[in-house]
Order: sequence, then C-alpha cells, then structure tokens
Amino acid sequence: NAGVMQNPRHLVRRRGQEARLRCSPMKGHSHVYWYRQLPEEGLKFMVYLQKENIIDESGMPKERFSAEFPKEGPSILRIQQVVRGDSAAYFCASSPRTSGSSYNEQFFGPGTRLTVL
Amino acid sequence: GENVEQHPSTLSVQEGDSAVIKCTYSDSASNYFPWYKQELGKRPQLIIDIRSNVGEKKDQRIAVTLNKTAKHFSLHITETQPEDSAVYFCAAPTGNTGKLIFGQGTTLQVKP
Repeated sequence: NAGVMQNPRHLVRRRGQEARLRCSPMKGHSHVYWYRQLPEEGLKFMVYLQKENIIDESGMPKERFSAEFPKEGPSILRIQQVVRGDSAAYFCASSPRTSGSSYNEQFFGPGTRLTVL
Repeated sequence: GENVEQHPSTLSVQEGDSAVIKCTYSDSASNYFPWYKQELGKRPQLIIDIRSNVGEKKDQRIAVTLNKTAKHFSLHITETQPEDSAVYFCAAPTGNTGKLIFGQGTTLQVKP
C-alpha cells in the first residue's frame, strides 16, 4: 500500500510564475489536507478537501492560492504569481476520516519544497 | 479556535536519558492528540497518538500522557538514542473538519 505521494519534490520558480503542487492520497483515503511549513517553523493548516469539494479553506491566503481535488486524479495546490515569501515546504496529508468521526489520523506526504527566486 | 503551545523549543539530553516534551491546548472539544517526528528535510511522521478516552498510551520507548482537565499532554521518550534526534511536533484538531493545529516544535538533540 503506497503512502501519500507528492510531486514534484523540489520546485524552483521565478517571481511572477505559477507553481502547481500535486498530492495523491493513500489508497482508500478520500480526505486531503494541505499544510505549509516555512523555514524552521511549524506546520500551518491551509485547506481541507474531499473529492470534488473544498470543505475548509480558512488557512488559505485570500489571493493567488487555490486548491482542488477532482473526481479523478491528484489534489492540486496552485499558487499564481509566486513571490519570495511563498518559498516553503508544502505538505499534504491524507486521512481515512469518515464524516462525523472523531478519528483524525493523518499521514503526510514527502512534501514539495518550493523555492522562489 | 484551537491554540497549541509546546515547550521546550530545544532539548538536549545524553544518550540513555529520558526526554519529556509538553503541550497545552485551548479547545476543550479536542479529542485526539498526535505526535509527529520530523527529521531534517523529511516528512512529519506520526509516532504516537492518544484519544481523549484514555490517560496514557505506550509504545516501546515512547509514551504519551493526557490530562483533559488541565488541557495538556506530554510525550515521554525513555532510553534515548542518537537516532531520536529530530524535531517533534504535537498537534490537536479543531472544529469539525479534523484540521490539525500544530505546536511550535521541539528540537531534540541526543548526545552520544
């Protein structure tokens, strides 16, 4: 059973370009969370998605950031017009969590390290 | 919403000694408390977790204790080894979406 997959593992972009980060959850998991980790800091929640639905995007910056989790394919975190402050590690986590359950075990992918030049 | 405070920020111990990391949380509705270990450049790895219906859980050299009344939980590592050196994060969920709020992290150094 493959774990959470993320690609690319490293991504370099120049200011103003777009960054697309992909996440494939563990088999059988339909809940995906994205977190951002700035250098030498903790993880901050960004967005929570289920298939075809954004459930909670309270941690997403209001502009330039968007996320999706289509019926087929991986979840995608998209950052438009990147700036240097977007440089960070972006982790996704998947969970087998069922609706209404208090069981919140989350397994993390290897992360995408975004560097904005 | 949830607020998680973690102490200490750094911890240095001799190999074989015990290490204790403490976290407090604010949301009394939180019912699940995981601990993650993150080595440099790697993903956070779930090492142990506890649900609110128990006060303690052990897994070999690692244990977690929970005090719901005081709203704090602790990670205990006994017989520390150099490979235990890493950053450790506590977390607690908030709201009904399961999103995790993380502590600030503790950098543990185990000296051989």
